[in-house]
Amino acid sequence: NAGVTQTPKFQVLKTGQSMTLQCAQDMNHNSMYWYRQDPGMGLRLIYYSASEGTTDKGEVPNGYNVSRLNKREFSLRLESAAPSQTSVYFCASSERASGWVNEQFFGPGTRLTVL
Amino acid sequence: DQQVKQNSPSLSVQEGRISILNCDYTNSMFDYFLWYKKYPAEGPTFLISISSIKDKNEDGRFTVFLNKSAKHLSLHIVPSQPGDSAVYFCAASAIAGNMLTFGGGTRLMVKP
Repeated sequence: NAGVTQTPKFQVLKTGQSMTLQCAQDMNHNSMYWYRQDPGMGLRLIYYSASEGTTDKGEVPNGYNVSRLNKREFSLRLESAAPSQTSVYFCASSERASGWVNEQFFGPGTRLTVL
Repeated sequence: DQQVKQNSPSLSVQEGRISILNCDYTNSMFDYFLWYKKYPAEGPTFLISISSIKDKNEDGRFTVFLNKSAKHLSLHIVPSQPGDSAVYFCAASAIAGNMLTFGGGTRLMVKP
């Protein structure tokens, strides 16, 4: 089992460029999440998908869009990158999103720099 | 306004001694708490959790204590080992939603 995989590992963009971060999990989890990690801020939730076919905004959704392509894959898109989006992005998955708290499993992260 | 705070950005401990990492929260709706450990260039990994019906949960060298009245939890690592050197994140959730709110992290350095 690979767990949660993310591509790419590193990316440098210029302001205004677009890109999509890919995430896939092989644990048959229902729920998937995108976080960003900034120094001193911990991990902040950008978007999540409680189940296939649903997506919802998290704490910091502005400037991002997501697609739950199928049960395994959840992508994060930056339509017009800004320097404020320079961060490390983590994808995570868990068995289910509501009615029970269960641990989230994280991918290795994508380090994004926007110049 | 951060609902989960880890007020110590870093902590240095000698190998074999106890490490105590602290976490405070403000949202009284939180009823489940988790600790994650993160090594450089890796994603966070789950370490230990506690629900609000308990005040202590133990797993090997790791123990989490919860003080609901003070809205405070702590992670104890005994004895500390150099391999424990990492960033530790506290996270909180309301069971109904399972969305995790993370603290800013504490970098633990265990010196040989």
